[in-house]
Amino acid sequence: QVQLQQSGPGLVKPSQTLSLTCAISGDSVSSSSSTWNWIRQSPTRGLEWLGRTYFRSKWYNDYALSVKSPITINPDTSKNQFSLRLDSVTPEDTAVYYCVRGLGTGGSYMDVWGKGTTVTVSS
Amino acid sequence: DIVMTQSPDSLAVSLGERATINCKSSQSVLYISDNKNYLAWYQQKPGQPPKLLIYWASTRESGVPDRFSGSGSGTDFTLTISSLQAEDVAVYYCQQYYITPLAFGQGTRLEIK
Repeated sequence: QVQLQQSGPGLVKPSQTLSLTCAISGDSVSSSSSTWNWIRQSPTRGLEWLGRTYFRSKWYNDYALSVKSPITINPDTSKNQFSLRLDSVTPEDTAVYYCVRGLGTGGSYMDVWGKGTTVTVSS
Repeated sequence: DIVMTQSPDSLAVSLGERATINCKSSQSVLYISDNKNYLAWYQQKPGQPPKLLIYWASTRESGVPDRFSGSGSGTDFTLTISSLQAEDVAVYYCQQYYITPLAFGQGTRLEIK
């Protein structure tokens, strides 16, 4: 059974960096049939896909260009986890953040979700 | 970018009755090469992450009751709950995974009448 365990701070100051980590059990971050996604949810913007990392003979990343804060998603094969970094955050980045597995070699549907981390951006 | 629009925004249905939720994409999510619609449905209850119900527009995820069904193709899709149960009270989302950026509908809140 695949499980995703999220970790990271719940409070970040404006202009600082938001960093979250997602530890994977029951699957591999290097799997060639999975993608590893970050999705956030807020009352104003609903469910918003931020980006993903995945391995298909080499590593790939896709990001949502609509997000104003620069995004970086990185795999860590030594720890079987992946991370989200959001730079120069503003109060607009306040949301519940989910790490999510996508299943499928082409387009991938989101079949396993982490429990979510509530992140507040405030001084 | 593909925009997903659900209707209605909220819905109240009596126990045992049928509930129908619609989802429209701004462009087709049918991939001609494999004849699959890259469309999923999720259920979200308060304080929980979304749960996958349906993928490929009509394939039920393992463990999902058969009262949930998905239909449609191209740009127009429907989630149907054939006989509403109390535990089905939730917000329902459609999502396209045809192309990035992946996109969700705004959600439909389902309540008991």
